[in-house]
Amino acid sequence: QSVLTQPPSASGTAGQRVTISCSGSSSNIGGNYVYWFQQFPGTAPKVCIYRDEQRPSGVPDRFSGSRSGTSASLAIGGLRPEDEADYYCATWDDSLSAWVFGGGTKLTVL
Amino acid sequence: QLQLQESGPGLVKPSETLSLRCTVSGDSVDSSPYYWAWIRQAPGRGLEWMGSIRYTGTPYYNPSLRGRVTISLDTSKSHFSLRLPSVTAADTAVYYCARHIKKQWVPADPWGQGTLVTVSS
Repeated sequence: QSVLTQPPSASGTAGQRVTISCSGSSSNIGGNYVYWFQQFPGTAPKVCIYRDEQRPSGVPDRFSGSRSGTSASLAIGGLRPEDEADYYCATWDDSLSAWVFGGGTKLTVL
Repeated sequence: QLQLQESGPGLVKPSETLSLRCTVSGDSVDSSPYYWAWIRQAPGRGLEWMGSIRYTGTPYYNPSLRGRVTISLDTSKSHFSLRLPSVTAADTAVYYCARHIKKQWVPADPWGQGTLVTVSS
């Protein structure tokens, strides 16, 4: 059971907008930055959103992030087949003194 | 440019000790203000942070693994290591090493490619 809660799957057709949620608590999302990792099969995860809403260089502006209270979300607009991947939210938990991850969401582009 | 590379045995017998090394190039493991982390991913499962070690040598461990995991720095050889004793099949996973700063991941910092460790007799 992950400390952060994500839906196990999400899907959308090409061109659509999809949102992935990440729910936590006051000791983690409520007080710390949220990061989103994108992982393709057989490869290491990479940051696609950092500090809640910032996009690293090279990440399309179709990707956006937000945080409010004890929840965060990742939105991908104009879905493309190459967006199909697993997405994980992550943040620091002050009570556990640990990095915590969501269980991951498998995004399918139909 | 930072590069991390995990190394170690790909097969460990149950009850034995899993030992992995992460070789760092493009930086030194005693470089402020960085932390060096181990994260693992069981087959078909999510990511689990195992622990990190600060550039000063202070370790921080996942409470769920405390007592089993040890992370250490070797500044002279610029690598850091993971030691996990008494392994079971549940420790079968891809093990990644990574770098971060206090409570933050640096987006430009790549993780290691990962190394699969299978626990089996």
